[in-house]
Amino acid sequence: NAGVMQNPRHLVRRRGQEARLRCSPMKGHSHVYWYRQLPEEGLKFMVYLQKENIIDESGMPKERFSAEFPKEGPSILRIQQVVRGDSAAYFCASSPPGAGANEKLFFGSGTQLSVL
Amino acid sequence: EDQVTQSPEALRLQEGESSSLNCSYTVSGLRGLFWYRQDPGKGPEFLFTLYSAGEEKEKERLKATLTKKESFLHITAPKPEDSATYLCAVQDTGGFKTIFGAGTRLFVKA
Repeated sequence: NAGVMQNPRHLVRRRGQEARLRCSPMKGHSHVYWYRQLPEEGLKFMVYLQKENIIDESGMPKERFSAEFPKEGPSILRIQQVVRGDSAAYFCASSPPGAGANEKLFFGSGTQLSVL
Repeated sequence: EDQVTQSPEALRLQEGESSSLNCSYTVSGLRGLFWYRQDPGKGPEFLFTLYSAGEEKEKERLKATLTKKESFLHITAPKPEDSATYLCAVQDTGGFKTIFGAGTRLFVKA
């Protein structure tokens, strides 16, 4: 049973370009979460999605950032017109459906975004 | 607003030297408190969930405890392979997002 898969592992973009980060949850999981981690800092919640629905996006910047989790395919975190401050590790986590199931998160290995 | 504070930021131990990591939290209503382990270049790995004050959980050399305001992760006779960053997190009853602390970096020297 494959774990949470994130790709790419490393992504380099120039200022002003777009970054697309992909996350395939564990088999049978229908909840996806995106977190951002800066060096020496903890994980910062960005967004919580279920299939075709955004449940909580209270941690997402209002501009340039968007996320989706379509009926088919991986979840996508999209950052438009990247700036140097977007450089960070972005982690995706998933959990199975059911009450209380989202208490235990399974994390991918992350995507390290570097903006030149 | 939910808040999680971990101390110390870093901890250096000799192999076999037991110690504790602290996690102080503030939530309107606690659904659960979690401990994760994170190795360099990897995502966090789940260790424990604690739900109410007085609860304890154990796994190998690790033991997690919970009070109404804080949690401790006790490490007994640590080994070099226990070196990692340990993250504490909470989820409150009003939502579904998990809020993480900044972590404690543990170094165990042989």
